[in-house]
Amino acid sequence: DAGVTQSPTHLIKTRGQHVTLRCSPISGHKSVSWYQQVLGQGPQFIFQYYEKEERGRGNFPDRFSARQFPNYSSELNVNALLLGDSALYLCASSSYRGRYTEAFFGQGTRLTVV
Amino acid sequence: QKEVEQNSGPLSVPEGAIASLNCTYSDRGSQSFFWYRQYSGKSPELIMFIYSNGDKEDGRFTAQLNKASQYVSLLIRDSQPSDSATYLCAVQGAGGTSYGKLTFGQGTILTVHP
Repeated sequence: DAGVTQSPTHLIKTRGQHVTLRCSPISGHKSVSWYQQVLGQGPQFIFQYYEKEERGRGNFPDRFSARQFPNYSSELNVNALLLGDSALYLCASSSYRGRYTEAFFGQGTRLTVV
Repeated sequence: QKEVEQNSGPLSVPEGAIASLNCTYSDRGSQSFFWYRQYSGKSPELIMFIYSNGDKEDGRFTAQLNKASQYVSLLIRDSQPSDSATYLCAVQGAGGTSYGKLTFGQGTILTVHP
């Protein structure tokens, strides 16, 4: 069974540009979440999608947007990139187990904004 | 007050010792608690979860939860150099808009020296 796959793995962009990050969840998982992890800190929640609907949004500016497709894959878009957007972007695929939700992470996309 | 706080590291233990990692959380409605291990340059890997008060053991790992004290811990017995990593505590809310959202602590760096 394939795990969570993210693309690209590394990306270098210039300030002001736009970036699109992609994620394919584990087969059978209908929920995808996005996290931003800055060096030395824990991941910060950006978005959660379930069945193509946004179910949660973290404290990020409107430059960040996302969507989920009918096959449950997802895209994270960031407009007008700032130097501070440089981080590891993680996609998590989730499965609801009744009393808890297991979340498994992809390998991440390392975004560097110069 | 941060939502999820972990004991400040780094934590250094000799090989074969018990490593103790601690985490406190502020939201009393939190229901599920997770420990992730993250090697340098890699994505977080789920190693334990717990949602009932008490202890949960899995191999060399034991998670402990005390909801009254809003405290969760991870014990690693017979620590090995391969356990050297950053350990992230993550908390999940009570469902609804919290479904799928994980709130992470800042992580504790563990080093196991031979």
